[in-house]
Amino acid sequence: KQEVTQIPAALSVPEGENLVLNCSFTDSAIYNLQWFRQDPGKGLTSLLLIQSSQREQTSGRLNASLDKSSGRSTLYIAASQPGDSATYLCATGGYKLSFGAGTTVTVRA
Amino acid sequence: GAVVSQHPSRVICKSGTSVKIECRSLDFQATTMFWYRQFPKQSLMLMATSNEGSKATYEQGVEKDKFLINHASLTLSTLTVTSAHPEDSSFYICSANPLSEGDTEAFFGQGTRLTVV
Repeated sequence: KQEVTQIPAALSVPEGENLVLNCSFTDSAIYNLQWFRQDPGKGLTSLLLIQSSQREQTSGRLNASLDKSSGRSTLYIAASQPGDSATYLCATGGYKLSFGAGTTVTVRA
Repeated sequence: GAVVSQHPSRVICKSGTSVKIECRSLDFQATTMFWYRQFPKQSLMLMATSNEGSKATYEQGVEKDKFLINHASLTLSTLTVTSAHPEDSSFYICSANPLSEGDTEAFFGQGTRLTVV
């Protein structure tokens, strides 16, 4: 059974600092890895999808890397803003996803 | 990206009553949709896979008679929490993929906060 871990559980940074969020998984035979954002009491917004054959994906200030051999993915958010405050979840699986518990980010103005 | 709409966003019901939650794919067809449950400060846990035109597949430990799933069309799946109890209070989220399986991106509904009093 795939186990997904996210460290740290919470992170607080001043505005402008770069964010580094970590995700690890136990089974390297994954279809893809997806990063989501969740605001309090809301659903999930898909941020980035990395296919199993890819090593990274970029969208604006977001960059996600994938290293299947070590079972790790990292989400980088450049020049953080207060609007980036949210919980970030990683998940892997194909169509049935296994989620990490998330990293709750607070960006202080 | 694709849009998945979930209703209601929030519902409060009395113990013993049933609650229906709808999940719709607005701009694509989905032969398969997924229902997740999320407890406060915890991760999402897959409850069941909803299959259009056939029975849902439930994850281990999920009571199929309590959580009834119907996927009557390619754009709509419903989750009914029957005889709800306070321990069923949780955040329920559905997802769908534009393709039935494989290396595709999952899109989620807005979630439903269920409170049973």
